[in-house]
Amino acid sequence: GQNIDQPTEMTATEGAIVQINCTYQTSGFNGLFWYQQHAGEAPTFLSYNVLDGLEEKGRFSSFLSRSKGYSYLLLKELQMKDSASYLCAGLDSNYQLIWGAGTKLIIKP
Amino acid sequence: GAVVSQHPSRVICKSGTSVKIECRSLDFQATTMFWYRQFPKQSLMLMATSNEGSKATYEQGVEKDKFLINHASLTLSTLTVTSAHPEDSSFYICSARERESEQFFGPGTRLTVL
Repeated sequence: GQNIDQPTEMTATEGAIVQINCTYQTSGFNGLFWYQQHAGEAPTFLSYNVLDGLEEKGRFSSFLSRSKGYSYLLLKELQMKDSASYLCAGLDSNYQLIWGAGTKLIIKP
Repeated sequence: GAVVSQHPSRVICKSGTSVKIECRSLDFQATTMFWYRQFPKQSLMLMATSNEGSKATYEQGVEKDKFLINHASLTLSTLTVTSAHPEDSSFYICSARERESEQFFGPGTRLTVL
C-alpha cells in the first residue's frame, strides 16, 4: 500500500533550527512535495524534490533520499509565523499526491 | 506561480439544501482538478479526481450522488454538495494541474451546514 509517515507534532524555539522528517512508500515515484498550511487556510507550496540531495530555498531546505524512501524539511532561523502544519506528500506513478497527516510545528519565544 | 480561485470562500446553509462550490484556474489550463475535504486538525482527504470532459473518479467511501463534480472546461470545475447535512460541514479545497506538473491549490471553501 501507499503510505506517508511524519511526526504529529514538534516544538521548537524562535531563532532555532528544526528538521521535520518524512518517510514514504508509494506506487512508483515522481517526486516529494512539502507544503505549509496555516490553520483555516489551504496548503501553500514549499518545495519539490525528485532527485537525491538537498534543495535550499532561503530559510527552508528539503532533502530527499530515494533509496531510503526518506525526506526532511529543514527550517532555519525560526520565526513565530512559521507555526503551522507541514504536509509531506509523495507523487505516485499516476501523478497523484499521497498525503501525510501533517506535522504541527509549534514555535515558542 | 499559477493561481487557482475558489468561490465562495465561506458558505452557511440550512440542512437539506444544496451548495455549489466553484474552482477556477486563472492563468493555465487545468487538465486535471482534484477535490479535497479537510476536517479540523486532519490532513487533506482526496474526494475525487476530475479530468476535463470526462466523469470524475471518486475515492472509496465518497458518495458520488451526494458530491456532484463537473469539470466542463479546462478552467472550471464545480463541486455540488446535495442535500447537505451538518456532518458535511468541512473545509473543501480544490487543486488543479496542467498535465503532469505541480498541483496548485485554491484557497478553500468553509462550508457550515446548520
